[in-house]
Amino acid sequence: QLQVQESGPGLVKPSETLSLTCTVSGGSISRASYYWGWIRQPPGKGLEYIGSIYYSGTTYHNPSLKSRVTISVDTSKNQISLKMRSVTVADTAVYYCARHPAGGWGYFDPWGQGTLVTVSS
Amino acid sequence: NFMLTQPHSVSESPGKTVTISCTRSSGSIASNFVQWYQQRPGSSPTNVIYEDTQRPSGVPDRFSGSIDSSSNSASLTISGLKTEDEADYYCQSYDTSHWVFGGGTRLTVL
Repeated sequence: QLQVQESGPGLVKPSETLSLTCTVSGGSISRASYYWGWIRQPPGKGLEYIGSIYYSGTTYHNPSLKSRVTISVDTSKNQISLKMRSVTVADTAVYYCARHPAGGWGYFDPWGQGTLVTVSS
Repeated sequence: NFMLTQPHSVSESPGKTVTISCTRSSGSIASNFVQWYQQRPGSSPTNVIYEDTQRPSGVPDRFSGSIDSSSNSASLTISGLKTEDEADYYCQSYDTSHWVFGGGTRLTVL
């Protein structure tokens, strides 16, 4: 059964870089026609799409976050990574990883359990 | 770019039917498929409707989706409400090279 698991520091200081990893198990991250995405959810608020990556390195980005975000893939480790620069308290959120089909069809599944990142000094 | 607008909350009694709307701000709702996700407290989202009207395996047929071009909106309808349906529901659609989520609707079953 395909599973994804997010990991990374739970506390980041303002102005620093948030770094998270998503590890895929039960399947290959290099499977054709699927992207691997990041979504976040501030406490008590809604879902916000951050971006996605294909195993070849092609990416999608939320235009509002693109300037601060880098998403990368390591097929040898079956992992994707998220780096978000110059974080502020507004970046405090649960960060989820999920798979979705290429193009504008299908749906995000499975989702990881999410990891809470708090931005605070 | 467009936004997806949902009512903040809806409530209904067990056994009844409820409909949650999702209105697209610009461009046609029919231009891109709409998905719906259910998120129970403390859990990750799970899909209940994809590609406007399709149900993933395991989702009961009490859940249905539709789109209405006249109101430029999508709808999620849940019939025969159960207390376990109480959750947040999010619509989602695709814009050029990125995905857009609605703000979410809190469904209370009381």
